[in-house]
Amino acid sequence: TQLLEQSPQFLSIQEGENLTVYCNSSSVFSSLQWYRQEPGEGPVLLVTVVTGGEVKKLKRLTFQFGDARKDSSLHITAAQTGDTGLYLCAGFMIKAAGNKLTFGGGTRVLVKP
Amino acid sequence: NAGVTQTPKFQVLKTGQSMTLQCAQDMNHEYMSWYRQDPGMGLRLIHYSVGAGITDQGEVPNGYNVSRSTTEDFPLRLLSAAPSQTSVYFCASGQQGLWPQHFGDGTRLSIL
Repeated sequence: TQLLEQSPQFLSIQEGENLTVYCNSSSVFSSLQWYRQEPGEGPVLLVTVVTGGEVKKLKRLTFQFGDARKDSSLHITAAQTGDTGLYLCAGFMIKAAGNKLTFGGGTRVLVKP
Repeated sequence: NAGVTQTPKFQVLKTGQSMTLQCAQDMNHEYMSWYRQDPGMGLRLIHYSVGAGITDQGEVPNGYNVSRSTTEDFPLRLLSAAPSQTSVYFCASGQQGLWPQHFGDGTRLSIL
């Protein structure tokens, strides 16, 4: 069982539709990041959310950090084919034994023309 | 504007062979890290460094060594390759804390 569970694992939609990807945990994170990864490339950082309840917008992408800082969501409005990719969330914990960054398993998004 | 550069891009090894995956960044980032990515498992941290001369283990360090003699370079060494180490390896760097803000394009490694 992963510390960060992403759902769904795979999502296929038509261009112009909306979609939401979820990142959930039973643990509290001091902050959370979202990345997008395209085939053959490394992940690209989209956003970092730090405050519980925080909402950040990046053009058609809206990111929300849960009030309890245990979960996050990524919503894409009017998806475009260029939004196709693997979306990864990563949670950061500050611990006495050492800080820890944990990635979720990813959500693969396919936007069809 | 190179960012994080990884070499080689592809490598095939036989079980028991050793090799070094290279990683260099030109952004003067203090933090560098190595991850492996396996299907459905996201990225798992192998080793990381918060500055030259300082390294520490991540989640899956067994079978790998690292060193950080300069700010720019952070090589990953496989001591005796095993089929379980077949994966895609990513190097990342960041400015503060433990943020992997920039990733390389990965090294695809197959162990036969």
